[in-house]
Amino acid sequence: NAGVTQTPKFQVLKTGQSMTLQCAQDMNHEYMSWYRQDPGMGLRLIHYSVGAGITDQGEVPNGYNVSRSTTEDFPLRLLSAAPSQTSVYFCATRTSGSYTQYFGPGTRLTVL
Amino acid sequence: AQTVTQSQPEMSVQEAETVTLSCTYDTSESDYYLFWYKQPPSRQMILVIRQEAYKQQNATENRFSVNFQKAAKSFSLKISDSQLGDAAMYFCAYSPQAAGNKLTFGGGTRVLVKP
Repeated sequence: NAGVTQTPKFQVLKTGQSMTLQCAQDMNHEYMSWYRQDPGMGLRLIHYSVGAGITDQGEVPNGYNVSRSTTEDFPLRLLSAAPSQTSVYFCATRTSGSYTQYFGPGTRLTVL
Repeated sequence: AQTVTQSQPEMSVQEAETVTLSCTYDTSESDYYLFWYKQPPSRQMILVIRQEAYKQQNATENRFSVNFQKAAKSFSLKISDSQLGDAAMYFCAYSPQAAGNKLTFGGGTRVLVKP
């Protein structure tokens, strides 16, 4: 099992560009989440999903879009990147039977 | 809103010694979960230990143990017999049972291990 995978590992964007961060899991977990980690801080929740077709906003959702068409995938879309979105992005999953979240390796995004 | 506070930005410990990391949280919920995550330079978030609020017994995982004081809303992590591989950022995190997808993190404590 690969667990939680994220692509790409690194990305540099120019202001105004769009891109999608990919998250995939092979553990059949119902719950998936996206977090961002800014320098010297803990992670903050962007969006989450409790199952295919169901998403909701977290603490810092502005500027990000999500959808969940399958159990395995939960992409995060930046429609018009801004320098304030420079951060490390983590995807996490958990099963409905446990409150422990398991994290992917992260994507470091720089917006110039 | 729930908040998680880690008051120690950095802690230093001699190899084989013990270090304790502090964490306090604020919540009006009665059912919740608390976690300690380790983040080494590779930036991978690794679960160290978790505690269910309804359990009075403190959780233990090998050299890692917690001191959970529910009334005081305190959740400290003790690392015994510290090893060089323990050097990392440690994050305390809180999740209410009613909204289990919402992990709230503290600002982190950097642990340095001296050989």
